[in-house]
Amino acid sequence: SQQGEEDPQALSIQEGENATMNCSYKTSINNLQWYRQNSGRGLVHLILIRSNEREKHSGRLRVTLDTSKKSSSLLITASRAADTASYFCATAAYSTPLVFGKGTRLSVIA
Amino acid sequence: DAGVIQSPRHEVTEMGQEVTLRCKPISGHDYLFWYRQTMMRGLELLIYFNNNVPIDDSGMPEDRFSAKMPNASFSTLKIQPSEPRDSAVYFCASTPLKEGGYTFGSGTRLTVV
Repeated sequence: SQQGEEDPQALSIQEGENATMNCSYKTSINNLQWYRQNSGRGLVHLILIRSNEREKHSGRLRVTLDTSKKSSSLLITASRAADTASYFCATAAYSTPLVFGKGTRLSVIA
Repeated sequence: DAGVIQSPRHEVTEMGQEVTLRCKPISGHDYLFWYRQTMMRGLELLIYFNNNVPIDDSGMPEDRFSAKMPNASFSTLKIQPSEPRDSAVYFCASTPLKEGGYTFGSGTRLTVV
């Protein structure tokens, strides 16, 4: 399966600290995406990184992709209490729908 | 745009009853997906449509599940008869590009008692 697996499963940090989440997958991909899910809500698309890209930034988010290791990381800098949510990586192989991992639960303590 | 709209938000039903979940995708999004989320299994793809045509329903767990997309602005997921193990949050998502980002609805939390 190409399903991504996030690590750690849960992460608790203080406001202002950086949060790093990792994702590993098993097969070749076209792109990898990160989503956020607040409790009781739908998933929100954060960022997409293509297989030929190594790093991408969006505001306080930084995503890296290492296709040789089949892994990605999501860094949230200067975290805020509002960043508390579950974060999912999703992999897109060619011509197949997104497959999601089980997520990392991030708690940012004020 | 109002985003992907799902109804109802919550559904509680008795075992054996028919349940119909509804989804209105974003206008112009040619792909529509139905996912199910549980604590044990995470997010699972049930079925997806392209231009109203079902492309892959291999994720539909049993014949009790069926999905339709009669037009570009409406899709339904039906469970008949429902069972307690169907309890989950069901999400609809749409995208204009299959390999782009998806827009998710707020989900329907289904509880079968």
